[in-house]
Amino acid sequence: QLQLQESGPGLVKPSETLSLTCTVSGGSISNTNYFWAWIRQPPGKGLEWIGNIYYRGSTYSSPSLKTRISMSVDTSKNQFSLKLTSMTAADTAMYYCASLFYEHISAWPPIRYYFDYWGQGTLVAVSS
Amino acid sequence: QPVLTQPPSVSAASGQKVTIPCSGSSSNIGDNYVSWYQQLPGKVPKLLIYDNDKRPSGIPDRFSGSKSGTSATLGITGLQTGDEGDYYCGTWDPSLSALVFGGGTKLTVL
Repeated sequence: QLQLQESGPGLVKPSETLSLTCTVSGGSISNTNYFWAWIRQPPGKGLEWIGNIYYRGSTYSSPSLKTRISMSVDTSKNQFSLKLTSMTAADTAMYYCASLFYEHISAWPPIRYYFDYWGQGTLVAVSS
Repeated sequence: QPVLTQPPSVSAASGQKVTIPCSGSSSNIGDNYVSWYQQLPGKVPKLLIYDNDKRPSGIPDRFSGSKSGTSATLGITGLQTGDEGDYYCGTWDPSLSALVFGGGTKLTVL
């Protein structure tokens, strides 16, 4: 069973860059059936997908955050990371990393995906 | 505004059944699998249903999922106070090139 753990600062100043890392255990980050995802949840609000990365480095990002996001993966450490630039108060949220199961099948719909394991989350506040 | 529409809240008596709808469009729910996530108060979201109607190991059969056209539904029978929390639907929307969630539905067990 996969286990994921986020690490990073709990407080970021406005205009600065947030850097978070997720460490995966219980399985290989190079598993071809997985993307590795970031999801956030502002206090009292719903879930928002940020983006995900494949072990080979290909990425998909939320259109609303695309210009501010960069993601990377370190297969030697079984870790993946997120950088979010130009932080504002609106980015204050619980940030989760999660595993996104992904599979192409010969049926319709042809692609299966779901977030099956989640980290505990790390609360990031943006304040001076 | 979330791409998938869920009612903000639903409620039902203990032991009864409740359904939570999730409405989308032909590009998202209509052409893709739907998953459901349970978030109990103060807890991490947990996968409840995947591929529209499949339950992960360990999820009781009191929870069920279905999809018809551009809508999906989560059903919960034999409601327990421990089921109180927020429930989210999710899918892929190729027109947005994004994974999308519903706004969430808060379940209250009376």
